[in-house]
Amino acid sequence: NFMLTQPHSVSESPGKTVTISCTGSSGSIASNYVQWYQQRPGSAPTTVIYEDNQRPSGVPDRFSGSIDSSSNSASLTISGLKTEDEADYYCQSFHSGNHWVFGGGTKLTVL
Amino acid sequence: EVQLVESGGGLVKPGGSLRLSCAGSGFTFSSYSMNWVRQAPGKGLEWVSSISTSSEYIHYADSVKGRFTISRDNAKNSLFLQMNSLRAEDTAVYYCARVSGYLQEWGLGTLVTVSS
Repeated sequence: NFMLTQPHSVSESPGKTVTISCTGSSGSIASNYVQWYQQRPGSAPTTVIYEDNQRPSGVPDRFSGSIDSSSNSASLTISGLKTEDEADYYCQSFHSGNHWVFGGGTKLTVL
Repeated sequence: EVQLVESGGGLVKPGGSLRLSCAGSGFTFSSYSMNWVRQAPGKGLEWVSSISTSSEYIHYADSVKGRFTISRDNAKNSLFLQMNSLRAEDTAVYYCARVSGYLQEWGLGTLVTVSS
């Protein structure tokens, strides 16, 4: 079964830049779009990146997404970290065209 | 304002059934595919099921196939999830989400607890 692997946790200081990776287990991660969702404690998820690198309206340009085919990975980069960015982040893509797959999630701590 | 409101969660015994509902408002419900996504306590997100605009395409995660049934009533702007033969591992918050290539809008979720 296709899986997306994320680091369990990352931490960084306010004002710095952090990158969260999402590695596909098989096939080419570039074959399907990758999305990133942010989930703050006690809240429903919201989208921060869709279609690999697109930001929904209202999401600051401190958030960016990219694909690296050589490592079969997607990445979410957050620059100018703020304490409000502290949350769980999930990547998501597709398998067999119609099955949605989530990564295990990464807990971002801004300290 | 787009709103998705789930209901129908609660405590049910193993082997029991439950029907979840999701009421959509603030958008043309019939124009969007919809998904159910769940999150077990302290765990990550898990896709459950998806349904296309006119119910012509329906897909399930292997973990629920044969036990759960997704449906929708576009006249009532509603999405449903019929859950049968429930197991302890189905305990989770269940979210409905509007699809626009990605999960564009989410509800706040409804908690399903399967326990004796």
